[in-house]
Amino acid sequence: ELKVEQNPLFLSMQEGKNYTIYCNYSTTSDRLYWYRQDPGKSLESLFVLLSNGAVKQEGRLMASLDTKARLSTLHITAAVHDLSATYFCAVEPAGNEKLTFGTGTRLTIIP
Amino acid sequence: GAGVSQTPSNKVTEKGKYVELRCDPISGHTALYWYRQSLGQGPEFLIYFQGTGAADDSGLPNDRFFAVRPEGSVSTLKIQRTERGDSAVYLCASSQGQGNEQYFGPGTRLTVT
Repeated sequence: ELKVEQNPLFLSMQEGKNYTIYCNYSTTSDRLYWYRQDPGKSLESLFVLLSNGAVKQEGRLMASLDTKARLSTLHITAAVHDLSATYFCAVEPAGNEKLTFGTGTRLTIIP
Repeated sequence: GAGVSQTPSNKVTEKGKYVELRCDPISGHTALYWYRQSLGQGPEFLIYFQGTGAADDSGLPNDRFFAVRPEGSVSTLKIQRTERGDSAVYLCASSQGQGNEQYFGPGTRLTVT
């Protein structure tokens, strides 16, 4: 059974600081997704990572994938309050359509 | 263009009642997925349709849950004899098929009292 673990589960950080969220998964994967979810809202797609060594950046967020280590990271640079949300990684196993989500990281940026 | 839509946005029902949740996928998307998100958790897969047929229903928790997609577009998730443990947000997603990104709808918040 595929397991996807995120850490930390909760993260409170000051504006302007840098931090990294980690996503570990237990089996071979075709692709990995990062989503953002605001309270009471649906999932907003941030990144799709398709291959080993993939790195994508959008604004203050950067995601990377290491398929050999079965690890993805979401790095936040110089955090701003608008980034406060819950972030999920989701893994799509090879040959399988369904996504398995991590437990989520609730990020709070303190002014 | 229009995204995935779901109705109703909120549903409150009494224990033991029957409910139907509707999903309208993005036009032209052949694949449709249902997920359930309990409070404080990540979404969990329920069922996946490719066209009209259920390609994978391994996530349905028991036989009280059933989903259809008769014309390969709109899908309905049906829950019989609802229980309080069924309370959650039910998310629908659609994609252009295998290997393509899934786009999520706003969800239906189901509360069973």
